[in-house]
Amino acid sequence: QVQLQESGPGLVKPSQTLSLTCTVSGDSISNGRYYWSWIRQPAGKGLEWIGRFYTSASTRYNPSLKSRVTISLDPSKNQFSLRLTSVTAADTAVYYCARDPGFGTNLWGQGTLVTVSS
Amino acid sequence: EIVLTQSPGTLSLSPGEGATLSCRASESVSDYLAWYQQKPGQAPRLLIYGASSRATGIPDRFSGSGSETDFTLTISRLEPEDFAVYYCQHYVSSPVTFGQGTKVEIK
Repeated sequence: QVQLQESGPGLVKPSQTLSLTCTVSGDSISNGRYYWSWIRQPAGKGLEWIGRFYTSASTRYNPSLKSRVTISLDPSKNQFSLRLTSVTAADTAVYYCARDPGFGTNLWGQGTLVTVSS
Repeated sequence: EIVLTQSPGTLSLSPGEGATLSCRASESVSDYLAWYQQKPGQAPRLLIYGASSRATGIPDRFSGSGSETDFTLTISRLEPEDFAVYYCQHYVSSPVTFGQGTKVEIK
């Protein structure tokens, strides 16, 4: 059974960098069959797509975050990561990592709450 | 970016009733449209992809229809576990976007 699990600090100070890791079990992130995505959801609000990694040449980001976000893969650890720089309170949200085969996001992590506060 | 507008915002229904949820795109997304269900404290669950194909394990009381700019998610007979928030999502191009959600609540 394939599972995704987010990990990282739950509290980040304003202007600092948010870093999260998603560990994939039961499947190889190097199989080339999926997009590996990050999606976030502020409390009580809707879903916002952050971006996805397929290959290093085909990574795509939400334009609203593009200047601050990086998604990368670490095949040796079967993990992929999110890095969001210069965070503000508006970046406080539950962050989900997810697997997308290209026709809907069919596997999600449980989500991790990240709060931006001093 | 493509904007998805869902209606209504809230649907108040009783178990056993049918539900019809709408999603309208600001430009054509062909059939690159998915529907998700989200319950409090949980990650979203994929229900429908390709506008009308049910994901693995999804009961047949859930059905999707539509193409281009107008889409519908229909729940034929609401079960107690179906009361939740539903989101549509397009994946025709980057950035992927979601609708704002429709809450199906118990009347």
